[in-house]
Order: sequence, then C-alpha cells, then structure tokens
Amino acid sequence: AQTVTQSQPEMSVQEAETVTLSCTYDTSESDYYLFWYKQPPSRQMILVIRQEAYKQQNATENRFSVNFQKAAKSFSLKISDSQLGDAAMYFCAYRSVVTGANSKLTFGKGITLSVRP
Amino acid sequence: KAGVTQTPRYLIKTRGQQVTLSCSPISGHRSVSWYQQTPGQGLQFLFEYFSETQRNKGNFPGRFSGRQFSNSRSEMNVSTLELGDSALYLCASSYGTVENEAFFGQGTRLTVV
Repeated sequence: AQTVTQSQPEMSVQEAETVTLSCTYDTSESDYYLFWYKQPPSRQMILVIRQEAYKQQNATENRFSVNFQKAAKSFSLKISDSQLGDAAMYFCAYRSVVTGANSKLTFGKGITLSVRP
Repeated sequence: KAGVTQTPRYLIKTRGQQVTLSCSPISGHRSVSWYQQTPGQGLQFLFEYFSETQRNKGNFPGRFSGRQFSNSRSEMNVSTLELGDSALYLCASSYGTVENEAFFGQGTRLTVV
C-alpha cells in the first residue's frame, strides 16, 4: 500500500516571501500521479498542482512549483511571492495508475500554512 | 459550469441513528468518490462509484454504504451511527479516467451526539 508523509504540521511565511512545503511518499509502483491540494477555511479542496511520475520536468503553475525527486520519493511544493490568500491547509496526495486502484487518492496528514502580513 | 454540490452542509445526529448524505457531481462527470476527514485520521477514502457501479472501496465497516444513480448523483449512507463517525465527509467527481482531475465539494459536516 502507498503512504504519504507530511512531517511538518505547521509553517509560517511572511507575505511576499517564498515557502517550501515538504512531502515524502512510499510506493512500489513506477508510474503514478502526485498532487498538492489546498483546503481553505471554506473546506473545499482545491487542486494546486499535479505531477505525473513519468515526466522528468517539474510542474509549475504560476507562483506554485514542485521539486519532484522520484528516486528519493520526495515531492515538495514551493510557493513564491506568498499572498494572504495562500493561508490554508495543504495536502500532498498520491494516485496510482493501476486499473481498479486509480480512483483513490491517498493523502498526507496536511500542513497548516499561515501568512504573516 | 456548476461545481460539485453536497447536501446538507451540516448535520447533527444521535448515536444509533442513520444518515444519508448527497453529492451532485459536475455535469458530465461519471465518477464520484467519497472521503472522510477527521483531525485524528486525516482524509480517508471510503468508496468510488462509476456509472452506477462501485469500482473501489476503502477500509470502512459495512455500516458505510453508497450508491449512484443514472444521473451520476451519489448518496452515502451511514447506519447505526457512532460518536467516531463525526467528521467532514467530502465527495469528489471526475470523468473517471486516470488522467482526469478530481473536483471536490465543500463537504458535509456530520456531528454525532
């Protein structure tokens, strides 16, 4: 079974600064998807960025980018130019591509990010 | 395009009762997945329905069940409620293939007293 670990329960960043959220995972599969989701106080999970394991290039979405290290099974999220609206809980998640198991997301415990004005 | 809609947003039930939660997916989406979120266990996968068939199931007792209708709307039922069932229940919809993104609703907050 796959596991996702987010070891930092909380982080804080100054507005306009850069912050990196860490995530490690464990799997025996060679192909899979990794995601970062944001959950603001409204509770709705919002996809921030996704990475396909077979792609070497790190995904980027505007101020959000990842550092995907497949051999180390590490998947960190970098938020540049942090904004007050980035304050939320962030979850790292894994999804298999194996038929019959690919509908399930396995989540880490999450990290609460606060942004200081 | 309307998002994923979950009803009700909040529920308070008594131990031993049963409850039904509803999830209306985004138009055109055929897959609906359910997750339970608690402070202690985090987000855990309950089950997934695709075209009215349960396609995947997590490790929850049989008190947790679901179904999907021909219009892709899904319901989740919990029977004989326990205090530990208090949680945020999230549903997510997608087109159902591995490449497709899952979109989440705002959840139903269930409190069992």
